[in-house]
Amino acid sequence: QKEVEQDPGPLSVPEGAIVSLNCTYSNSAFQYFMWYRQYSRKGPELLMYTYSSGNKEDGRFTAQVDKSSKYISLFIRDSQPSDSATYLCSTSGTYKYIFGTGTRLKVLA
Amino acid sequence: KAGVTQTPRYLIKTRGQQVTLSCSPISGHRSVSWYQQTPGQGLQFLFEYFSETQRNKGNFPGRFSGRQFSNSRSEMNVSTLELGDSALYLCASSGEGLSNQPQHFGDGTRLSIL
Repeated sequence: QKEVEQDPGPLSVPEGAIVSLNCTYSNSAFQYFMWYRQYSRKGPELLMYTYSSGNKEDGRFTAQVDKSSKYISLFIRDSQPSDSATYLCSTSGTYKYIFGTGTRLKVLA
Repeated sequence: KAGVTQTPRYLIKTRGQQVTLSCSPISGHRSVSWYQQTPGQGLQFLFEYFSETQRNKGNFPGRFSGRQFSNSRSEMNVSTLELGDSALYLCASSGEGLSNQPQHFGDGTRLSIL
């Protein structure tokens, strides 16, 4: 079983839609969770960084962590074509970081 | 503040050759990690360095090696290149590589093996 599982998509939505991206993880010891956005031919860019259960909001982005079900989510409100990218969830252990395989998102104008 | 810098951006090599990739972390960051990214496998962890010491290593053959210098800059070397080594190689840095410190990535070196 992979430590972090993520649906690879692709996911296509119309402009203005609310997007929900999800990951599950297996180790309850994980405490810190990140979301990265990766555009084509670029490295992953840190979007959100959260600790503990609950929600964290930053502009149109909301990261949610549910430790009881080992489930993390990223919501994008009012999605834009510029949000079209691959989104990677991540968590951290001792001197290592674990990543999901990434979900490809396409927002259609 | 400058981000993580990786050089070169693109490389074309042939089977059997060796290659060295370079990474300069964000100023003040002492932990550097290397990843291989391919469409089928996603981000695969290669190794992590801190204070010139390798603290963690992924499941890659010994052909993949790295080192870190006293200024925290890091290099990754791949010897006896194989076609399957074609990938985007990413470097990421964080303060001390602790679990409460997120990583920041460079834009990678795209390696193509002919």
